[in-house]
Amino acid sequence: GDSVTQMEGPVTLSEEAFLTINCTYTATGYPSLFWYVQYPGEGLQLLLKATKADDKGSNKGFEATYRKETTSFHLEKGSVQVSDSAVYFCALSDPTGANSKLTFGKGITLSVRP
Amino acid sequence: ETGVTQSPTHLIKTRGQQVTLRCSSQSGHNTVSWYQQALGQGPQFIFQYYREEENGRGNFPPRFSGLQFPNYSSELNVNALELDDSALYLCASSLSRGQEKLFFGSGTQLSVL
Repeated sequence: GDSVTQMEGPVTLSEEAFLTINCTYTATGYPSLFWYVQYPGEGLQLLLKATKADDKGSNKGFEATYRKETTSFHLEKGSVQVSDSAVYFCALSDPTGANSKLTFGKGITLSVRP
Repeated sequence: ETGVTQSPTHLIKTRGQQVTLRCSSQSGHNTVSWYQQALGQGPQFIFQYYREEENGRGNFPPRFSGLQFPNYSSELNVNALELDDSALYLCASSLSRGQEKLFFGSGTQLSVL
């Protein structure tokens, strides 16, 4: 079945450091790929998405490129801020498009210190 | 526009009991999905409802059931609660069943003792 694997966490960085969070996936067909973010006490929010190979999703300084050859969708940000502290989830959609089901990775907690 | 709202925010039940969780979808959205998020894990898809009909189900037993109402609000019912049912239950709405952009509520934290 479809699955998403994220790097083990947690990750602690100093403000303005470079961030990379790894995500690889297994899927039949051609899913869309997503990064969702969960701030403390809040629901998940869509951070960015990419719908096909070589697409780059970007939002709020975060970027991720859909790499079909390596089945990866790594999240990057050039300079993190304290406000980026949250849990980040990589996810993929149902490749059949029959419904809005998302398959999530385990998530990784990012803490950014001043 | 109003967002996705869930009630209650917290709930404590004992093993064997039944529970009903509620979700109001975002205005204009006719599709609702439910997810279970265990501590330290990513959300897992339970099922989706589109226009009052179940439209996809994850690997959950039949004691997890749902309803969607004509106003597109939804309920998740869990019978015969087990300790492992303790989790954050998330509701998400979308414009339609194939739409990939989901809007999540803040969830209901269920504790089963």
